[in-house]
Amino acid sequence: DAGITQSPRYKITETGRQVTLMCHQTWSHSYMFWYRQDLGHGLRLIYYSAAADITDKGEVPDGYVVSRSKTENFPLTLESATRSQTSVYFCASSEWTSGRRSGELFFGEGSRLTVL
Amino acid sequence: KQEVTQIPAALSVPEGENLVLNCSFTDSAIYNLQWFRQDPGKGLTSLLLIQSSQREQTSGRLNASLDKSSGRSTLYIAASQPGDSATYLCAVSNYGGATNKLIFGTGTLLAVQP
Repeated sequence: DAGITQSPRYKITETGRQVTLMCHQTWSHSYMFWYRQDLGHGLRLIYYSAAADITDKGEVPDGYVVSRSKTENFPLTLESATRSQTSVYFCASSEWTSGRRSGELFFGEGSRLTVL
Repeated sequence: KQEVTQIPAALSVPEGENLVLNCSFTDSAIYNLQWFRQDPGKGLTSLLLIQSSQREQTSGRLNASLDKSSGRSTLYIAASQPGDSATYLCAVSNYGGATNKLIFGTGTLLAVQP
């Protein structure tokens, strides 16, 4: 089905381990984003990408690494997971067009990560 | 730095009531504003997108207005139903083109009582 999919949906890991969250979109949107959602902080931008091989930091990038070798994929890696990275992670995509829906953001279902 | 605030944080209404959710932002130089719905344990679903040149958008029982000069947007829900119960978030984008990053409010938790 077309859309944006995240995997895994649920992950439990231990402090210090490396974890990669996958994001795949089928719309060929140029822009992709990773947000984390925490109680009391709302949604905060971790990293974003304007196109393949172009990435940039968001509000809370420390401890995370991203890559975008293909337009449709935007994996997020926690190089050495910490308890403070326990959160729900959302991937999103959008595109700029000349239409009235230009810039509309579409989200995946989220990946719930617990770091013990 | 753009800040987005949503009031109230929570709202409980009886079924059938018309209601208004509020969103305010500190920097009026926005590119667009988007309203989302989030059900428990789910992702965000886009409801309405208002470009900076527009004043309102409508979809079914939902109407969103935008007043850039005052830094405010409202989401009007007509004839509320229990199925409307969810968290509603607004988000603004300050840029077009290369950096369309959205800044989110913390949401309004809506409960519609049957």
